[in-house]
Amino acid sequence: QQNVQQSPESLIVPEGARTSLNCTFSDSASQYFWWYRQHSGKAPKALMSIFSNGEKEEGRFTIHLNKASLHFSLHIRDSQPSDSALYLCAVSTNAYKVIFGKGTHLHVLP
Amino acid sequence: NAGVIQTPRHKVTGKGQEATLWCEPISGHSAVFWYRQTIVQGLEFLTYFRNQAPIDDSGMPKERFSAQMPNQSHSTLKIQSTQPQDSAVYLCASSLRQGAREQYFGPGTRLTVL
Repeated sequence: QQNVQQSPESLIVPEGARTSLNCTFSDSASQYFWWYRQHSGKAPKALMSIFSNGEKEEGRFTIHLNKASLHFSLHIRDSQPSDSALYLCAVSTNAYKVIFGKGTHLHVLP
Repeated sequence: NAGVIQTPRHKVTGKGQEATLWCEPISGHSAVFWYRQTIVQGLEFLTYFRNQAPIDDSGMPKERFSAQMPNQSHSTLKIQSTQPQDSAVYLCASSLRQGAREQYFGPGTRLTVL
């Protein structure tokens, strides 16, 4: 049974800071990895995905994946107040049954 | 494109009553998912349909929960004899097809069981 853990549970950073969110998973057969973002009262929305070891950058956001250490992370450069949200990591072994972490609440102070 | 539509947005039921939640996936999406979100448990997978066929319902509480997809334009989640612990936001999502595709979530139905 896949176990997905996120850390920290909550994070408060000043505007302009670099933010790092972490996700660990238990099933070494996992192949698909996503970060979703959920603003308060809204639906989760996919932010970025990665399917092979390494790094992927899109604008201010970067994902790192290390399958051997069962870990992937999301880094936000120049954090903005509009980035304040619940960040959910998601992992799948077969691309359809996705297991989500409980999330990290990010608050970016102006 | 209206996105995934879920109705009702809010539902309040008394303990022991039945609740039916509706989902209209994005047109052309062949995969439909149901999740339950609570503060304590986070976002939990319930069930999944592909091309209207049930594929995996391993997350569904067996006795009182059921899901159907009678046609490609809507799916329902039915909870019989609702209990206070069923109170949650129920989210429906759809994706273009199976295979590493992002899921598009609806706004959810907030179910409150008194």
